[in-house]
Amino acid sequence: AQSVTQPDIHITVSEGASLELRCNYSYGATPYLFWYVQSPGQGLQLLLKYFSGDTLVQGIKGFEAEFKRSQSSFNLRKPSVHWSDAAEYFCAVAGSNGAGANNLFFGTGTRLTVIP
Amino acid sequence: DTAVSQTPKYLVTQMGNDKSIKCEQNLGHDTMYWYKQDSKKFLKIMFSYNNKELIINETVPNRFSPKSPDKAHLNLHINSLELGDSAVYFCASSARLAGGRLKTGELFFGEGSRLTVL
Repeated sequence: AQSVTQPDIHITVSEGASLELRCNYSYGATPYLFWYVQSPGQGLQLLLKYFSGDTLVQGIKGFEAEFKRSQSSFNLRKPSVHWSDAAEYFCAVAGSNGAGANNLFFGTGTRLTVIP
Repeated sequence: DTAVSQTPKYLVTQMGNDKSIKCEQNLGHDTMYWYKQDSKKFLKIMFSYNNKELIINETVPNRFSPKSPDKAHLNLHINSLELGDSAVYFCASSARLAGGRLKTGELFFGEGSRLTVL
């Protein structure tokens, strides 16, 4: 069965600093991987996704993520954080075939605080 | 225009009551979902409907009953509410390719309905 681990519950960075949020997944085949962001009081919004091909994927708002099969990781990065990036970030995995493709399994989220 | 809209946004009720949360999407998607987010922000799927047909039904108590009158609507009815039902419930929708794969992998979420059971 699929699962996702986000080891960092809460991360604080200074505005303008770089950011890396960690995500490790468990899935027997090639996974579909996603990063979502949830701003306070809002629903989740997709930042980026990986299906296949280039292991470095670009997303919205200047975010990128790198798929590393050997490490079962899909870490999210941003070179320079803005105060508006403060939010909850969720990594998710979906199965690439069969019934697994029908839903997403989310990690427990990482809360990002940005200090001026 | 709100893509996925849920009502009500907040719901406070007593244990034992029955309540419903409504969801509508105007994206033309054929698949809709209900997710539950608990107090620790853990997000877990409850149900998924594709063209009004139930395709995912996780281990959710049968007090929870989804209803999809058409592919643009997916409502959630909860009977005999319990304290543990307090959570934020998110509706979402997505498009699909034939064969069941998520078309883009993108779920569009509503803003959530915060249910508090006293």
